[in-house]
Amino acid sequence: DVKVTQSSRYLVKRTGEKVFLECVQDMDHENMFWYRQDPGLGLRLIYFSYDVKMKEKGDIPEGYSVSREKKERFSLILESASTNQTSMYLCASSLSMGATYGYTFGSGTRLTVV
Amino acid sequence: AQSVTQPDIHITVSEGASLELRCNYSYGATPYLFWYVQSPGQGLQLLLKYFSGDTLVQGIKGFEAEFKRSQSSFNLRKPSVHWSDAAEYFCAVPTGANNLFFGTGTRLTVIP
Repeated sequence: DVKVTQSSRYLVKRTGEKVFLECVQDMDHENMFWYRQDPGLGLRLIYFSYDVKMKEKGDIPEGYSVSREKKERFSLILESASTNQTSMYLCASSLSMGATYGYTFGSGTRLTVV
Repeated sequence: AQSVTQPDIHITVSEGASLELRCNYSYGATPYLFWYVQSPGQGLQLLLKYFSGDTLVQGIKGFEAEFKRSQSSFNLRKPSVHWSDAAEYFCAVPTGANNLFFGTGTRLTVIP
């Protein structure tokens, strides 16, 4: 089975901290995605990547950046965490043409910024 | 742009009762459509997907979904709900070659 592993299930950070959320997939998928999930808003795409060192902005990229130095790893960076970034963060990966095959998701990281 | 709408935010059913979760899509051509399930505190798991052909699609955990072009719907069904089906359910449609658009989800509560 494809596995998408998010390094932390729960994270508590202080306002202004730089936060790194890590995601690793083990099936050589080309595409990787970061979403945030909030009640009533569903999943909103933050950033995605089609290949190593490539990134594209999603619907809500403000306040975030990403890094993809290796194919299997996709990191989400909160440059200066704020309380409105308290949320569940979900990483996903897919083969190329992922909209045909669907995504595989990690278990999520619940981030609280205090 | 392609999108999906899940009109029900929250549904409560009794254990053993049948279930239908609604999903309406907006898409120019014949869409690919997906249903995902998210158990509490977990990521999303693919339940089933529709590409073309047979309009009734079977998925995991005893779920099925029916594509109805005339109604622009792709509703998820299960004949007899189990307590372990309590979760949030998301419908999704492609917005391009690589990206999926997810609905806002329907939360299912199962009562004994």
